[in-house]
Amino acid sequence: QSVLTQPPSASGTPGQRVTISCSGTSSNIGSNYVYWYQQLPGTAPKLLIYRNDQRPSGVPDRFSGSRSGTSASLAISGLRSEDEADYYCAAWNDTLSAFFGGGTKLTVL
Amino acid sequence: QVQLVQSGTEVKKPGASLRVSCKASGYSFTDYDISWVRQAPGQGLEWMGWTSTYNNKSNYAQKFQDRVTLTTEASTNTAYMELRSLTSDDTAVYFCARGASGWTYWGQGTLVTVSS
Repeated sequence: QSVLTQPPSASGTPGQRVTISCSGTSSNIGSNYVYWYQQLPGTAPKLLIYRNDQRPSGVPDRFSGSRSGTSASLAISGLRSEDEADYYCAAWNDTLSAFFGGGTKLTVL
Repeated sequence: QVQLVQSGTEVKKPGASLRVSCKASGYSFTDYDISWVRQAPGQGLEWMGWTSTYNNKSNYAQKFQDRVTLTTEASTNTAYMELRSLTSDDTAVYFCARGASGWTYWGQGTLVTVSS
């Protein structure tokens, strides 16, 4: 069982907006930055969001992140078939350990 | 361009030790820490720890505290992950990544199979 809780699956049709949640505690999300990664099959993860809501250069603005209290969300607007992947949230906790959520498999219908 | 190139596939017997290397290029090696993350087959990502490339100070996940050692060798721009007392549960793809958090650059992954 992961320290950060994500739904195991999510889905949407092309063009839709989908959100993926990540629930934690005051010791991790509540007091530390949240990061989001996208992982395509057989590849290394790709950083999508850092410091809760910042996008690295090259990440489309269709991807956005937010944090409220002990939860965070990743939103993907204008869903595309190439967005079908696994998505992971990550955060540090107050004991200086990093944790990932269990991952959410996004299906584009 | 920034690259992290890891050593190749490993097959190990239970009880053995493992060492995976991660050679960096395209940036100043000692400007960034190196972190290690693993992923068991069909499972999620699991953070193992990070190490400073400046002074080799490391921080380990509690789960691996007594079995893992992370080191770096600035002369060759290479980081190493050593994991001891392997069991079948250690079968996974092991990734190195640049930095202590917000990992933009990753190695290609090293598949490790532990089997008798």
